[in-house]
Amino acid sequence: DIQMTQSPSSLSASVGDRVTITCQASQDISNYLNWYQQKPGKAPKLLIYDASNLETGVPSRFSGSGSGTDFTFTISSLQPEDIATYYCQQYDNLPVTFGQGTKLEIK
Amino acid sequence: EVQLVESGGGLIQPGGSLRLSCAASGFTVSSNYMSWVRQAPGKGLEWVSVIYSGGSTYYADSVKGRFTISRDNSKNTLYLQMNSLRAEDTAVYYCARSITMILRFDYWGQGTLVTVSS
Repeated sequence: DIQMTQSPSSLSASVGDRVTITCQASQDISNYLNWYQQKPGKAPKLLIYDASNLETGVPSRFSGSGSGTDFTFTISSLQPEDIATYYCQQYDNLPVTFGQGTKLEIK
Repeated sequence: EVQLVESGGGLIQPGGSLRLSCAASGFTVSSNYMSWVRQAPGKGLEWVSVIYSGGSTYYADSVKGRFTISRDNSKNTLYLQMNSLRAEDTAVYYCARSITMILRFDYWGQGTLVTVSS
């Protein structure tokens, strides 16, 4: 199985800050990497697919980059409503695997 | 509007069985790639199973041989039959849609809680 190592596991930042989360795959997954946002008590929401494509309706302050084994998720200017846990997810082959999550808090 | 509504969760004793349902609207289940993803209390996301549009099914090793994914095209509903349940199966179970075989989950249900405990 492909292991996804996400860091940091938690992050505290101020409104307006640039926030970056990384995800490393245990083997080459090309660009088959998605990012989700999950708020407490809610289902995850797809933000970025295929490493860098913004899902329809998602604000442009969210972005993703990377290929192969190393990927980055960025919020360009943190907003209060961005408080959530973020997960990366690979689909290069089954089983689908997720990173362990990054819990983002407001400082 | 695309909607997924899960049902069937509850409290069940170890070794018991439960069937989860996921009623879809706004799209056709059989034309998409439908998965179950679970989340244990306070933990991360774990993919459980997928049924492809062509009918092929795949499972995580942790549930293989115990869980069965299926669909009823006439009801536009996805199912997860869970047998020989264990305490470690306790989780919120989500159904999720992918429009491609390159699984990316663009719509999710609200989740249904399964608690395995005596």
